[in-house]
Amino acid sequence: AQRVTQPEKLLSVFKGAPVELKCNYSYSGSPELFWYVQYSRQRLQLLLRHISRESIKGFTADLNKGETSFHLKKPFAQEEDSAMYYCALSGNAGGTSYGKLTFGQGTILTVHP
Amino acid sequence: KAGVTQTPRYLIKTRGQQVTLSCSPISGHRSVSWYQQTPGQGLQFLFEYFSETQRNKGNFPGRFSGRQFSNSRSEMNVSTLELGDSALYLCASSGIPATEAFFGQGTRLTVV
Repeated sequence: AQRVTQPEKLLSVFKGAPVELKCNYSYSGSPELFWYVQYSRQRLQLLLRHISRESIKGFTADLNKGETSFHLKKPFAQEEDSAMYYCALSGNAGGTSYGKLTFGQGTILTVHP
Repeated sequence: KAGVTQTPRYLIKTRGQQVTLSCSPISGHRSVSWYQQTPGQGLQFLFEYFSETQRNKGNFPGRFSGRQFSNSRSEMNVSTLELGDSALYLCASSGIPATEAFFGQGTRLTVV
């Protein structure tokens, strides 16, 4: 069975502070991990995926297979980063299907001015 | 190009009734998935359709069903509605080669 855990339901930081949203997963095979973000009154959208190894909006995430983690980090948080963040797992590494995603419970990030 | 479109955006139904929700994927996408989002359970996978065939199914009772048409549009149906079925239902589509799942705005179902 695949499972994604986001231990923090709420996370508050001040503008300019570093932020780390935690994500741990369990999966017996080789998963693909994603971070999705939902800004207020907007649809759920992809922020980044571990395969692309990109930095999007200053966010990065490294897949640590030893610790089964995929934490999302940003060195200097901005007010516009305030949103709900979901970590998600697809059991189809290699990209044949992203049709079945297992989501964590989400973390609401609030960045204070 | 147009994003994933879900209709209707809001629905109010009475317990025991049935409901059909519709999803139009991004043009060219053949995979359509459905998710239920609730405050208590978060986002849970319902099922995925690809080229009119159900490819994956989540742990939901048989009252939840779906189908996909030849133009890749998909519908999901919930029969004998229960109060606990009140949720935001999200549809997502992905293409080939798949790079990500694109989500619709959702249909907010309220069962009274």
